[in-house]
Amino acid sequence: DTGVSQNPRHKITKRGQNVTFRCDPISEHNRLYWYRQTLGQGPEFLTYFQNEAQLEKSRLLSDRFSAERPKGSFSTLEIQRTEQGDSAMYLCASSPGLGFNSPLHFGNGTRLTVT
Amino acid sequence: AQTVTQSQPEMSVQEAETVTLSCTYDTSESDYYLFWYKQPPSRQMILVIRQEAYKQQNATENRFSVNFQKAAKSFSLKISDSQLGDAAMYFCAYNYGQNFVFGPGTRLSVLP
Repeated sequence: DTGVSQNPRHKITKRGQNVTFRCDPISEHNRLYWYRQTLGQGPEFLTYFQNEAQLEKSRLLSDRFSAERPKGSFSTLEIQRTEQGDSAMYLCASSPGLGFNSPLHFGNGTRLTVT
Repeated sequence: AQTVTQSQPEMSVQEAETVTLSCTYDTSESDYYLFWYKQPPSRQMILVIRQEAYKQQNATENRFSVNFQKAAKSFSLKISDSQLGDAAMYFCAYNYGQNFVFGPGTRLSVLP
């Protein structure tokens, strides 16, 4: 168990640029989640995958955000035309998906700063 | 919609003492899970303890225990014999189905 890995750890970008983050979950976990966390707040749900299928997406997620998990392994989260309000920590988590008692295993997150 | 509230933005405790962090939630479901997660500074979030709503017995993990009051929709975390390494943000979370809903967190400081 090597844990959930996220890259990059930090990303600074200018407003209007596109950014992409990667998440590698624990290998036997079939559920993968993306959360956004701003300073002093709890994680806010963005989207969720069961294997390669994106099963739920937050209504708060604008069309500038897209996520993929092409082979049910790693996942990418892309933000197009970034805005200063996108500055946050983006957390990835995975779960075995054996039931809703399965806890989330989190990565270290990618901190995005939009200037 | 399910919501999770943590009314204590910050708490502090003396080393070796006991502290209780509060959490309330709102749901119309009868079976669900509740979790406490710990997020140390600049480190990843880790699970502290979990509780199934159907179980009346409160969960315990070493120095961590919960007081689960289903009717009151309350789920507090008690940390006994506090240690310096317990200093972190603590998040209460609710899960029914696939999605986890987190509270805003409580920052716990441990004083030597």
